[in-house]
Amino acid sequence: NAGVTQTPKFQVLKTGQSMTLQCAQDMNHNSMYWYRQDPGMGLRLIYYSASEGTTDKGEVPNGYNVSRLNKREFSLRLESAAPSQTSVYFCASTYGGAGNQPQHFGDGTRLSIL
Amino acid sequence: AQSVTQLDSHVSVSEGTPVLLRCNYSSSYSPSLFWYVQHPNKGLQLLLKYTSAATLVKGINGFEAEFKKSETSFHLTKPSAHMSDAAEYFCVGRGGTYKYIFGTGTRLKVLA
Repeated sequence: NAGVTQTPKFQVLKTGQSMTLQCAQDMNHNSMYWYRQDPGMGLRLIYYSASEGTTDKGEVPNGYNVSRLNKREFSLRLESAAPSQTSVYFCASTYGGAGNQPQHFGDGTRLSIL
Repeated sequence: AQSVTQLDSHVSVSEGTPVLLRCNYSSSYSPSLFWYVQHPNKGLQLLLKYTSAATLVKGINGFEAEFKKSETSFHLTKPSAHMSDAAEYFCVGRGGTYKYIFGTGTRLKVLA
């Protein structure tokens, strides 16, 4: 059972380049999330998807777009990367949306933007 | 406003001594609280969760936490630290529909 799988694990980009971070879960979860983790700031929500076909902004959505491709997959796109987007990105999934179920996390994508 | 506060950014203990990682919360929702551990270059792994059943919650690897409504606390404890416990720990609370509130993390160092 793979859980939540993120690709790639590492990436270096130049300012202005674009890229898509991929996430897939095999737990039949309805809800999926993208977070960024920066030192001393915990995890901050970028976007989430309550169910297939829906997406909503989180705390720090500027500069990002997302696609819920199907129930399993939720991708995050940086259209024009900026150095401020250097971070570790985590995808997570869970059942439902009441906030009383734990999230399951992938191992992250470490992104550096030069 | 909802908030989760981890009171210590760094904690150092000697191997074999007790661990205490402190977390306070504030929420207008009926609380659901979680502790996660993050090892280097890994994602967050669930240690335990509180969702209004027993106030003393036992988790994996010998960790446990007690929900104290009067103190708005959910501290994580372990009787005897092991070297493999060295990691970063996150307290997470329910922030509303589809929302979770993350503490800023406590880095645990275990000294030989």
